[in-house]
Amino acid sequence: SQTIHQWPATLVQPVGSPLSLECTVEGTSNPNLYWYRQAAGRGLQLLFYSVGIGQISSEVPQNLSASRPQDRQFILSSKKLLLSDSGFYLCASTGGKGYNEQFFGPGTRLTVL
Amino acid sequence: SQQGEEDPQALSIQEGENATMNCSYKTSINNLQWYRQNSGRGLVHLILIRSNEREKHSGRLRVTLDTSKKSSSLLITASRAADTASYFCATLPGSNDYKLSFGAGTTVTVRA
Repeated sequence: SQTIHQWPATLVQPVGSPLSLECTVEGTSNPNLYWYRQAAGRGLQLLFYSVGIGQISSEVPQNLSASRPQDRQFILSSKKLLLSDSGFYLCASTGGKGYNEQFFGPGTRLTVL
Repeated sequence: SQQGEEDPQALSIQEGENATMNCSYKTSINNLQWYRQNSGRGLVHLILIRSNEREKHSGRLRVTLDTSKKSSSLLITASRAADTASYFCATLPGSNDYKLSFGAGTTVTVRA
């Protein structure tokens, strides 16, 4: 099975500051990668997904961007954080096509003040 | 957008009892998956049921799927305190799709 690493685990940032969250995957190659955001007590909102290096699909217009510089590395970024960017960010991976199960990382709790 | 809707939103049971939660969805699917999330942690995949399957078992978990009603249920038998978590259903529309649609989840509390 796969192992998903995310860091940092928690982050407190001021409004207007930049953001970089990193996700790396072990145990598979050429995975589909996903960034989700979860508001408190809610389900998951898909933000971005990637089917290969340099290929990013955005699901919702927002203040965030994503990049995939290497096969098993997925980065979530922002140039200027907003209060509304606060939340729990989860990275996920599937091996092969989307009809397989997703493996999730431990998440990053972001608080924007 | 979220396609799956779990019911109930919250469930409190005594250890040893069974817990049942339901998921309804709106469009046709290739498969439906159930995940567990412990507080403040990532999601863990529990079970996947394909559209041509009606029931699957995994340990103390039993999942049913009724495509005519566009609904699924997750049964946890003989619950334990460690089963306390949120449970989410997620649907995949087609075999060539990449995106799962997650419901808002059912929060299960198992009392000792």
